[in-house]
Amino acid sequence: KAGVTQTPRYLIKTRGQQVTLSCSPISGHRSVSWYQQTPGQGLQFLFEYFSETQRNKGNFPGRFSGRQFSNSRSEMNVSTLELGDSALYLCASSPREQSYNEQFFGPGTRLTVL
Amino acid sequence: AQSVTQLDSQVPVFEEAPVELRCNYSSSVSVYLFWYVQYPNQGLQLLLKYLSGSTLVKGINGFEAEFNKSQTSFHLRKPSVHISDTAEYFCAVSETGGGNKLTFGTGTQLKVEL
Repeated sequence: KAGVTQTPRYLIKTRGQQVTLSCSPISGHRSVSWYQQTPGQGLQFLFEYFSETQRNKGNFPGRFSGRQFSNSRSEMNVSTLELGDSALYLCASSPREQSYNEQFFGPGTRLTVL
Repeated sequence: AQSVTQLDSQVPVFEEAPVELRCNYSSSVSVYLFWYVQYPNQGLQLLLKYLSGSTLVKGINGFEAEFNKSQTSFHLRKPSVHISDTAEYFCAVSETGGGNKLTFGTGTQLKVEL
């Protein structure tokens, strides 16, 4: 089975722009979660989608949003980019929504905001 | 809410020596416990998890961890490390019944030297 794929792998944007990141989960997985990884804050949970519905949301401003499509692929959007949004954004998929499941992580999208 | 503390940000160790990476957690509800590993420029990979039952959990690559409820700890151990174990290790918890939302510690960089 192919693993979790994320596109693009690298992205450079300027302040004020918006960006959309994409995540394709492992085939058959219906849960997709997003995390932000920075040197200062570490790994922080952004949100989780299951069957096209947002199930959990972390403590991020409304500029961060996401969605999930019927084929379980997910996108996250960040509007009005700030320098502090520079980070590695990781997507993880899981077969079901139960919290005991292993999450399978993609390689991440490295976002740099100038 | 949950929190995870990894007391050591860096652990240097010689090859073939034993190692212990420490993790303590705090939560007002029942949680599941996980250890993930991140190799350079890659996503996270699950090493092992504790859901219930035996407090000693064995994982991949020769790692094991012991759950101690009274000390709210979940320390990771390996009796003999290899150069290839050089990576960052993250302890994480998820709330039982809380969906796929992981709360991570700040990570421990394990550096194995010859």
